[in-house]
Amino acid sequence: KQEVTQIPAALSVPEGENLVLNCSFTDSAIYNLQWFRQDPGKGLTSLLLIQSSQREQTSGRLNASLDKSSGRSTLYIAASQPGDSATYLCAVRPVTTDSWGKLQFGAGTQVVVTP
Amino acid sequence: EAQVTQNPRYLITVTGKKLTVTCSQNMNHEYMSWYRQDPGLGLRQIYYSMNVEVTDKGDVPEGYKVSRKEKRNFPLILESPSPNQTSLYFCASSLRGSHSGNSPLHFGNGTRLTVT
Repeated sequence: KQEVTQIPAALSVPEGENLVLNCSFTDSAIYNLQWFRQDPGKGLTSLLLIQSSQREQTSGRLNASLDKSSGRSTLYIAASQPGDSATYLCAVRPVTTDSWGKLQFGAGTQVVVTP
Repeated sequence: EAQVTQNPRYLITVTGKKLTVTCSQNMNHEYMSWYRQDPGLGLRQIYYSMNVEVTDKGDVPEGYKVSRKEKRNFPLILESPSPNQTSLYFCASSLRGSHSGNSPLHFGNGTRLTVT
């Protein structure tokens, strides 16, 4: 069974520093990997989706890389701001015979950006 | 506005009293799914639906039921709630997309359920 791990569970950085968030998964057979942001009391907001054939995706200050062979994805957030404080989750869509509908989430990394 | 709407946002109930949490999306998405989120366990998938009248179990389906009679609605039913179902529940939807699954998920704002 696919397992998704995010380390560290929590991270605090001063404003302006770059953020590096890690996501690892045990089975490289995936359709895609998605990064989400969750604010307290709110649902999840999709940040970036990387298809299995892609190496990275970029949106503004965000860049996500995917290395399927090593089972790793990294989310980079450049020049962090206090508004980036949130919990960041990754999720993979594993490949099995009927599993397009299944999605495995990591437990998330809680980020605090201090002014 | 494109959105996934869950109701209610907060619900307190007692053990054994049947309840339904509604989920509706206005984006004509084929795929819908329910998750529960618990501290230290992350999000776990309960049920999902690939289209109308097509549903399947996720990782933690015990104690839950779903139905998909219309494309826009995907209610979650707890026939006999128990305290271990106290959790934060999320509904999500997306286009079915290609087999590579390149359609991002859209989430509702969540339903916080407490079963006493």
